[in-house]
Amino acid sequence: SQTIHQWPATLVQPVGSPLSLECTVEGTSNPNLYWYRQAAGRGLQLLFYSVGIGQISSEVPQNLSASRPQDRQFILSSKKLLLSDSGFYLCAWRRLLTANTGELFFGEGSRLTVL
Amino acid sequence: GIQVEQSPPDLILQEGANSTLRCNFSDSVNNLQWFHQNPWGQLINLFYIPSGTKQNGRLSATTVATERYSLLYISSSQTTDSGVYFCAVVRADSGGGADGLTFGKGTHLIIQP
Repeated sequence: SQTIHQWPATLVQPVGSPLSLECTVEGTSNPNLYWYRQAAGRGLQLLFYSVGIGQISSEVPQNLSASRPQDRQFILSSKKLLLSDSGFYLCAWRRLLTANTGELFFGEGSRLTVL
Repeated sequence: GIQVEQSPPDLILQEGANSTLRCNFSDSVNNLQWFHQNPWGQLINLFYIPSGTKQNGRLSATTVATERYSLLYISSSQTTDSGVYFCAVVRADSGGGADGLTFGKGTHLIIQP
């Protein structure tokens, strides 16, 4: 069966420091991968998605970047964190049902606090 | 982009009560999912339901795609049902199978013992 893991689960970082969040998927190949952020409140915002190694699409311009160095690895990074980067970051993968549809499954999330 | 509106935003019920959560969306969709976010923040998949009706235990969902809404029913509520329920969709003509879900703002459900 497929599983998705994120780490670290929680982190507290000072303003201006770098960030690296990692997500890996097991049990599938060439998945579509996604990074979402949930800020204070309840809504989830799509940040990046990837359909393959080295292919990244950005949905929202911001202080963050994403990379996909391996088929089942997705990394969210920042060179210098801002206070506004605080939030709950969720990685997801898509289980394709047809060529154009599929169900998303989420990891456990990484809670980032920038001080 | 597509708009997703959920109602009510907050709901407080006694244990054993039934509830109906609604999700309206502004365009045709080819994916609609319901999630439950538990107190630890994890998103639990409840239903993948772009159309039709599904049931899983005390939960059921119906999507009327032609009228652009979906309903999540919770019967005989338990305290463990508390949390935030999200509806999320992918627009049907979004141009590719990779597009991510657009989420509503959620319904915060509290079940009191």
